[in-house]
Amino acid sequence: EAQVTQNPRYLITVTGKKLTVTCSQNMNHEYMSWYRQDPGLGLRQIYYSMNVEVTDKGDVPEGYKVSRKEKRNFPLILESPSPNQTSLYFCASSLLRTGTYNTGELFFGEGSRLTVL
Amino acid sequence: GDSVTQMEGPVTLSEEAFLTINCTYTATGYPSLFWYVQYPGEGLQLLLKATKADDKGSNKGFEATYRKETTSFHLEKGSVQVSDSAVYFCALSARGATNKLIFGTGTLLAVQP
Repeated sequence: EAQVTQNPRYLITVTGKKLTVTCSQNMNHEYMSWYRQDPGLGLRQIYYSMNVEVTDKGDVPEGYKVSRKEKRNFPLILESPSPNQTSLYFCASSLLRTGTYNTGELFFGEGSRLTVL
Repeated sequence: GDSVTQMEGPVTLSEEAFLTINCTYTATGYPSLFWYVQYPGEGLQLLLKATKADDKGSNKGFEATYRKETTSFHLEKGSVQVSDSAVYFCALSARGATNKLIFGTGTLLAVQP
């Protein structure tokens, strides 16, 4: 079954304690991305990657890191979490958009709800 | 910059009522337009899409038409069911850009039996 898998689904942590949210996709997609979802703000892009070893900042990258060592995995790293990073996080993947007919439709994971105390 | 504006929720309807969720966009060029749906406790999934002006996307009884003249992509369904209760997101993907989607703030739909 084609899917994007995130772990953990739920996490409560404390300020400053490093954490990693893993993301894996089995569709051989080149493009992967992280979004955060906050009430009244919709989804905002944190980081994205267009291929292995190629990553770039989205709209809200502060306080986050990512890596893309393998095509299927795209972990999100919070080196020193703070309460303003309490949010619902989504990983998404897609084929890389290369022309008019490839719209770059995204496939989403089920989300990771993070609470930073 | 590019943006999406959709109507505030929540929208509360009785079963079999007609649904409209308004969505307008601002973008240079001709973006692709999407509606995603998020059921409780789940990730977003694509509901329908349209890639050029006057295209109509449709799926599961939902429809939306890409209107370039009014820069709109309103979501409609003729007869909603309780199972349609979810958050609906309008989104655009700019032409020539990467795969980034720009989302609206989402509209919560609650359908009562």
